Amino acid sequence: DAKTTQPNSMESNEEEPVHLPCNHSTISGTDYIHWYRQLPSQGPEYVIHGLTSNVNNRMASLAIAEDRKSSTLILHRATLRDAAVYYCIPFSGGYNKLIFGAGTRLAVHP
Amino acid sequence: DGGITQSPKYLFRKEGQNVTLSCEQNLNHDAMYWYRQDPGQGLRLIYYSQIVNDFQKGDIAEGYSVSREKKESFPLTVTSAQKNPTAFYLCASSWAGNTEAFFGQGTRLTVV
Repeated sequence: DAKTTQPNSMESNEEEPVHLPCNHSTISGTDYIHWYRQLPSQGPEYVIHGLTSNVNNRMASLAIAEDRKSSTLILHRATLRDAAVYYCIPFSGGYNKLIFGAGTRLAVHP
Repeated sequence: DGGITQSPKYLFRKEGQNVTLSCEQNLNHDAMYWYRQDPGQGLRLIYYSQIVNDFQKGDIAEGYSVSREKKESFPLTVTSAQKNPTAFYLCASSWAGNTEAFFGQGTRLTVV
């Protein structure tokens, strides 16, 4: 299983962009990079995933390094609702294990 | 509505009793997962299943058992052999391909 390294915590102000980094230097060639977030007392929710190219959706953008050993989740304008624990997970599909690390706890200040 | 449902939301049991947590999905997903989360910690994988009648141990399977008799259902039994069963339990499902996983809202189990 590929190991990931994320900051334990980060802080942001409301309406400012947030860049959440993740190192996954042992990622395999078939692993996509998935990001999930977990609000307090809830199950995780999917945010975004990608393989090599940068990806955008309504929630966030994902920037993937050319060597795929790191990625950055970008929240373009943080809101109070974005306060959560964010998990970066290398994952090669439903026939494999989906393994969570410790994640990054994001605090958003008004 | 399509989704993944865990029940009950809260569960209390006496020490030494087995207890079964329910997880049902109507998303036609092939893969299903069970996780345990302790306060302030990340999710740890207990068991996962890729197809009916087949499942694999995750990182902390001791003291737990599962079955996958139907595609839609993946119940988890917390047995009396689990030394510290009080935790938040989460179920997830996904298609076989590399797509997102969907999570239930969890069951908070307290053993007294």
